[in-house]
Amino acid sequence: KAGVTQTPRYLIKTRGQQVTLSCSPISGHRSVSWYQQTPGQGLQFLFEYFSETQRNKGNFPGRFSGRQFSNSRSEMNVSTLELGDSALYLCASSLLGLAGAGSYNEQFFGPGTRLTVL
Amino acid sequence: LAKTTQPISMDSYEGQEVNITCSHNNIATNDYITWYQQFPSQGPRFIIQGYKTKVTNEVASLFIPADRKSSTLSLPRVSLSDTAVYYCLVGDITGANNLFFGTGTRLTVIP
Repeated sequence: KAGVTQTPRYLIKTRGQQVTLSCSPISGHRSVSWYQQTPGQGLQFLFEYFSETQRNKGNFPGRFSGRQFSNSRSEMNVSTLELGDSALYLCASSLLGLAGAGSYNEQFFGPGTRLTVL
Repeated sequence: LAKTTQPISMDSYEGQEVNITCSHNNIATNDYITWYQQFPSQGPRFIIQGYKTKVTNEVASLFIPADRKSSTLSLPRVSLSDTAVYYCLVGDITGANNLFFGTGTRLTVIP
């Protein structure tokens, strides 16, 4: 079974631009979560989508948005890029999402997209 | 939200058993405890999950005392390839707490 794929793997943008990152979950997985990882802040949750609906949201400004398509693929968009947005953006998929009945589902992470904002 | 506290870093020699303890004093009744491993430039990978007592799989063991306010990930006979960052997460039924990985414990295995 193919793993989680993310495109592109590397991206360089300048301040003020916007960027769209893509994530294809494992076949059959309906939940996609996005995380930002930086050396100083560690791994921080952005949002989770389940069946095309945003179900959980982290504490990030509105410049960060996402969506999920009917085939469970997800995109994340960051508008008006700032230098501090430079990070590794990770996507994770799971079968039932972060909310499981009595337990939570294992998340499978992609390799990430490394975004550099100049 | 349940918050976890882990040591920032640990060193160990090859072949030794490594125990990484995580504190989660505010753990709720429905919370599960899960550990992930992350190598540089890769996404985290699930290691083990438990609710109480002891859980063991082919990779690690997870010890959870009766009060569940802490947990210990035990890696038997570590090798150089176990050098990674280890994250402890506490998650409730809604999954909300699973969202907070924190900064983890950086384990360095020394030859």
